Amino acid sequence: IAGITQAPTSQILAAGRRMTLRCTQDMRHNAMYWYRQDLGLGLRLIHYSNTAGTTGKGEVPDGYSVSRANTDDFPLTLASAVPSQTSVYFCASSEGTSADTQYFGPGTRLTVL
Amino acid sequence: GQNIDQPTEMTATEGAIVQINCTYQTSGFNGLFWYQQHAGEAPTFLSYNVLDGLEEKGRFSSFLSRSKGYSYLLLKELQMKDSASYLCAVREGDYKLSFGAGTTVTVRA
Repeated sequence: IAGITQAPTSQILAAGRRMTLRCTQDMRHNAMYWYRQDLGLGLRLIHYSNTAGTTGKGEVPDGYSVSRANTDDFPLTLASAVPSQTSVYFCASSEGTSADTQYFGPGTRLTVL
Repeated sequence: GQNIDQPTEMTATEGAIVQINCTYQTSGFNGLFWYQQHAGEAPTFLSYNVLDGLEEKGRFSSFLSRSKGYSYLLLKELQMKDSASYLCAVREGDYKLSFGAGTTVTVRA
């Protein structure tokens, strides 16, 4: 069982380009999340999905979009990347119950030049 | 929204005890989590408190006081591998978590 996988591991991207970060989980978790982690700011929630077919905005959603077509996949898209989106991106999932624990993927290190 | 505060850095000696404090302000508390994150790796779950009191898991313990908006993570018998960042996270309402900036613990021989 792999848990949560993310791709790519790292990416250097020119400003203005479109980029999709992939996230797949095999735990049949209902809820999935995207965070960015920046030095001194901790993890900040970008978007989330409580169940397949639904999504919601987190703390820093501007410039990002997500979709949840099925239970396993939760891609994050940057429509037109900007340098301030340089960060480490973590995908996470949880069962979606009252005693919920989130499990994190290995992360994607994105640099926008 | 959330306001979560924890110290930026702490240093301790191998074999010692370190206590990492976390204070928070929230309008609808629904659980507090501690995660460990080694440099360059993903956060991993350590503990969960939703009721007041102490939860013990081996060398790690976590305490919660809801009335004071306060939690701490206690690391006993420190080992070199405990050098990492420790993240305090609060859940308000449904499944979403709000994280503090993290405390970097350095264990010295």
